[in-house]
Amino acid sequence: DTGVSQNPRHKITKRGQNVTFRCDPISEHNRLYWYRQTLGQGPEFLTYFQNEAQLEKSRLLSDRFSAERPKGSFSTLEIQRTEQGDSAMYLCASSYTMSTDTQYFGPGTRLTVL
Amino acid sequence: GIQVEQSPPDLILQEGANSTLRCNFSDSVNNLQWFHQNPWGQLINLFYIPSGTKQNGRLSATTVATERYSLLYISSSQTTDSGVYFCAVQGYSGGGADGLTFGKGTHLIIQP
Repeated sequence: DTGVSQNPRHKITKRGQNVTFRCDPISEHNRLYWYRQTLGQGPEFLTYFQNEAQLEKSRLLSDRFSAERPKGSFSTLEIQRTEQGDSAMYLCASSYTMSTDTQYFGPGTRLTVL
Repeated sequence: GIQVEQSPPDLILQEGANSTLRCNFSDSVNNLQWFHQNPWGQLINLFYIPSGTKQNGRLSATTVATERYSLLYISSSQTTDSGVYFCAVQGYSGGGADGLTFGKGTHLIIQP
């Protein structure tokens, strides 16, 4: 069990550019979550997948954000036309609903928009 | 949505001291987790504890679901315990599964 992994760990981009992050969950975990954390705050829920189906989206997830989980394995989070307000840590978590549904978090991708 | 309040917001202790962190939540929950966020931002699972009491080494946690609060106890603190401790809950939402709602955290500093 290698844990949840995220790539890249850091991303610096210019305002207006598109960025894509990847999350690889713990194998056999059927749920995958995305969160965003800004400085001094707790993480905030963005969206989650059960297998390949995206079942919930937070109001925080604007039209510029899109997430996919093809084949129910890894997931990608894309932000189009980035804004300075998108600068944050993007965290991914996974869980296994046939167990306690404990969410395990990856190390995060820190995005800086210049 | 469900509200989560953590106290105290900041705590400074000497090495070896004991501490109690509190988490109050506004509605019934089917998931409650305590995390320690290290200086690199990694959220480390401490406990999954929607009810009852658990212990793991110097750490223990108790959740009283009927009174909507949870406590995290740290005994014989070490400098490596420093960091931010988060309580996060997941409420019942009519069959759906929202994500975890986090409190603002308790920033713990253990001084040698």
